[in-house]
Amino acid sequence: AQKITQTQPGMFVQEKEAVTLDCTYDTSDPSYGLFWYKQPSSGEMIFLIYQGSYDQQNATEGRYSLNFQKARKSANLVISASQLGDSAMYFCAMREYGNKLVFGAGTILRVKS
Amino acid sequence: DGGITQSPKYLFRKEGQNVTLSCEQNLNHDAMYWYRQDPGQGLRLIYYSQIVNDFQKGDIAEGYSVSREKKESFPLTVTSAQKNPTAFYLCASSNNRVGTDTQYFGPGTRLTVL
Repeated sequence: AQKITQTQPGMFVQEKEAVTLDCTYDTSDPSYGLFWYKQPSSGEMIFLIYQGSYDQQNATEGRYSLNFQKARKSANLVISASQLGDSAMYFCAMREYGNKLVFGAGTILRVKS
Repeated sequence: DGGITQSPKYLFRKEGQNVTLSCEQNLNHDAMYWYRQDPGQGLRLIYYSQIVNDFQKGDIAEGYSVSREKKESFPLTVTSAQKNPTAFYLCASSNNRVGTDTQYFGPGTRLTVL
């Protein structure tokens, strides 16, 4: 079974609008962490936001927020006020049983002007 | 400036040759990782090391080898036993403490086998 599922291969969003990128996960470890990374065309992986399994509130970092629904095992990334520079591949990842990360297949986001 | 450096950025190799990819960090992180990314796919873990002189296999370790003689350095050797080595290789590092264990990545090395 897939540990991390990103069901949207590609998404379009109009500049200045909000967009939600979906991520569902599967784990039996009660202590886990969820991460979102951005990968622009240059290839480097840029850390965006982190949510711990015991965190009571949804994580936020500037224009990024994580919609964490523990019972549904989902950790969707919300980008508000999209900018052209947000066009990139976005990966959801989970840390369980130690420090190892498991990545989803990614979602390509294209911001239209 | 603290960060992770990888060299070279691009690497070309003939079939049957071993090549070594460099990864250096000055973030004082205990843990280091190597990932492989194939076109249009997510990252897969090759090897990781949580402390100097110790490392463990990840999900796709066959055909690769690593060493961790210094805290700052975690080189990856792609051996001739790796059947399909053409890929993008990313190195990362992190602290070991849960809650502060975000992995930070280097810029990557693109390896092409000719």
